[in-house]
Formats: sequence, structure tokens, C-alpha cells
Amino acid sequence: EAGVTQSPTHLIKTRGQQVTLRCSPISGHTSVYWYQQALGLGLQFLLWYDEGEERNRGNFPPRFSGRQFPNYSSELNVNALELEDSALYLCASNVGLAFYNEQFFGPGTRLTVL
Amino acid sequence: GQQVMQIPQYQHVQEGEDFTTYCNSSTTLSNIQWYKQRPGGHPVFLIQLVKSGEVKKQKRLTFQFGEAKKNSSLHITATQTTDVGTYFCAFRGTSGSRLTFGEGTQLTVNP
Repeated sequence: EAGVTQSPTHLIKTRGQQVTLRCSPISGHTSVYWYQQALGLGLQFLLWYDEGEERNRGNFPPRFSGRQFPNYSSELNVNALELEDSALYLCASNVGLAFYNEQFFGPGTRLTVL
Repeated sequence: GQQVMQIPQYQHVQEGEDFTTYCNSSTTLSNIQWYKQRPGGHPVFLIQLVKSGEVKKQKRLTFQFGEAKKNSSLHITATQTTDVGTYFCAFRGTSGSRLTFGEGTQLTVNP
């Protein structure tokens, strides 16, 4: 069974640019989560999508947005990039809203903003 | 919303020493999960605890859920260099709510 995949692996952008990160969940998983992890720090929750709808949003500015497609894959868009957006962006998936479901993480996209 | 405090933030041990990380909540948790993230890697699910006082073991790792379901611990016996990484606890407050992660404990093991 294929795991969660993310693309690209690495990305270098300059301040003010826009970026789109992509995530494909495990087959059969309907929920996708996005996290930001700055170097050496914890997981900061960004967004949660399930069945195509945004279920919850973390404490991030509106320039962080995303969507989930009918095939449950997801995109994270970040506009007007700032230096502090440099981080590892992790996507995770699980099976819907069931209470005891574990999350499966992708390898992440390393974003560097210069 | 519900939060958990994870301590310590960092732990350095000599290989062979034991290690424990704690996850504490001010409110009752319905369940708790533990994840491990190796350096340069992504978090990987280790285990889930649901019952009050539950204890589960995975080789040298022992996981406990407190009687009051307000705290949990992960104990590693005789650490090895392969144990290096960040250990996160996580919980889901209610059915339908998102998983909330603790800040993590970063473990380094000196050979």
C-alpha cells in the first residue's frame, strides 16, 4: 500500500512569491491535515480537510490557504512568502472522522524562503 | 481548547540509560497517541492508549495512560542510538475533532 506522498520534496522561493504544495493521501483516506514544522520545533497545525470541506484551521494568516479535491488529494497555497515561512510542511492523512484513527504522515516538503 | 504539556523539551542521555517523557493535561483525555520523528524524517505512529491505567509495551518502550486519564508517559529502557528523535504525544478531544500534538521531547543519545 502506497503511503502519503508530497511534492515537491524541496523548494526554494524568494520573499513575496507564492507557492503551492501538494499531497496525496493513502488510498481510502478522506481526511488530510497540513502542519508546519520550523527547524527543531514542534508541529504547528495549519489546516484540516475532510470530504472536500475545511474542517478546522490553525492560527495562521489568510495567506495560508488550501483545498481538497474530489479524489481527496490536497493543495496548500502560501501567498506573499515571508522569511519565517521557511519550514518543513507535512501532510498527514487518516480515515475520516473516526475517533481512534492514527495519522499517517508524508515525507514533507522543505520550503526555503530567501 | 484542550492542550497538553509535554516534558522535558530536551533530553540528553548516555547510551544504555533510561529515558522518560511525560504528557500532562489539565482535563481528562479520551485517548492518547504517541509518535516518533527521526532526525530528517516525518512523525510515525507508535501506539494508542484508550483505557484508564492502560500499560502497553513495545520491546524496550513502555507506554502508560494515567488512572485519571490526564497524563501519559513513554519510557525507554536502556536507550540505543536508534532511539534518537523527537517523541510527540497527541490526543483527539472529542469524536470529530482534530488530533492535537504536544510540543515534543527531543531525545539525543550519546554512544
